[in-house]
This record gives sequence, C-alpha cells and structure tokens, in this order.
Amino acid sequence: SSELTQDPAVSVALGQTVRITCQGDSLRSYYASWYQQKPGQAPVLVIYGKNNRPSGIPDRFSGSSSGNTASLTITGAQAEDEADYYCNSRDSSGNHVFGGGTKLTVL
Amino acid sequence: QVQLQESGPGLVKPSGTLSLTCAVSGGSISSSNWWSWVRQPPGKGLEWIGEIYHSGSTNYNPSLKSRVTISVDKSKNQFSLKLSSVTAADTAVYYCARATTSAFDIWGQGTMVTVSS
Repeated sequence: SSELTQDPAVSVALGQTVRITCQGDSLRSYYASWYQQKPGQAPVLVIYGKNNRPSGIPDRFSGSSSGNTASLTITGAQAEDEADYYCNSRDSSGNHVFGGGTKLTVL
Repeated sequence: QVQLQESGPGLVKPSGTLSLTCAVSGGSISSSNWWSWVRQPPGKGLEWIGEIYHSGSTNYNPSLKSRVTISVDKSKNQFSLKLSSVTAADTAVYYCARATTSAFDIWGQGTMVTVSS
C-alpha cells in the first residue's frame, strides 16, 4: 500500500480553483513533486520543491505544504487540465513513493 | 535537451525475465542525476521500481528488490532493467525517468510489457 494518500477523484468547474492533496508522514521531511498524466501519455512534472514549475508549465499551477499534507492548486482550471495527478516523495527509508493518484474532472 | 527512450520485448513468458533498456540522448548519463524505472499496470497508478547512479550505486523498491537488477552502461549512455520470475501482475507500461534531487523531470514515452504464455 502507498504511504502517500490522495483522493481518488476530484472535480472542478471550468475557470474555478481546485486543490489536490497528498498526505503522508514523510511529507514532514520531504517536499512532494506533482505529475500530470493524460490518457496514453507519460507523466509530466508540473510542480517540484517548495513551489517550482518547470519551463512550459502554466502559472495557474502552484504547490504548497503544511505538516503532513502537500497540495497542488490549479487556479482557473482549464479543460486541458483534466487528467490524473500523482504526488511523489520519499518514504521513511528514503525510497521514492507515489501517491495513488487523483483523477481531475473539469466540468 | 535530454530525451529517454525505452526498448525491449513487449511480451514475456511467466517465470521468465523482463529486460528493458533506456537510451539517454542529448546529455550524458554521467551527469549528477539518478536514473529510474517506474511502472504502471493497466488502469492503475505509478510504482517506483528503482534507480541507479552512473557510479553503479542502486536503490530498489523493497517490494521488488529480490527480483530487480538495474545496471548502467556508460559507454552506450544507457541503463537497463531486469525483473526476474515475472507473473501477470508485472504486466505494465514501464517508464524510464531522470531523477534530480527534487523530482522526476524527464520521462521516456513508456513501453508496454505483457506477461503471458
């Protein structure tokens, strides 16, 4: 079982703000990174570190962390943001671990 | 820019060994990054398999450690995955990825491997 817990599904109205969360004890020690995955495609890094976006990722994507919870926020969700989102961090042994994923639906 | 490309058989027999290679182009595998394998069974989430540094140091997912070997070939600028004693549960899309200190920033396109007789 995953040591990072995500809600299986979240929905947001077009243009509204949505927060996707990731919970785990290791998040008290490590930042999470976030990945967007569309059907049939490889994951794409959208947020890493404290709140960093790779080149080409829109600034409507942001990250934050508090205690054992990391969050990915999409401010003004677009239709193209509909995808699966995965968090990643380290477990208590320092190995990589992924959350179970959140399916985001844009209504 | 760095690109990754997985290659290997798409079909492996049960109890056999799955072997994949990830070719690194546009950069050196000897850069200060770790190189990882991640898999995704059909309709399921991502699972980290393990990683290797160009020195040969490795880290593996404890749940797969007894069956996994990751190696690096600096002369060919590539790294490889071997997973032994495979079963249908190992059927998945296998991705290679570059790991910086913070994240998996570059991914291959993935290759589907089916375990079936």
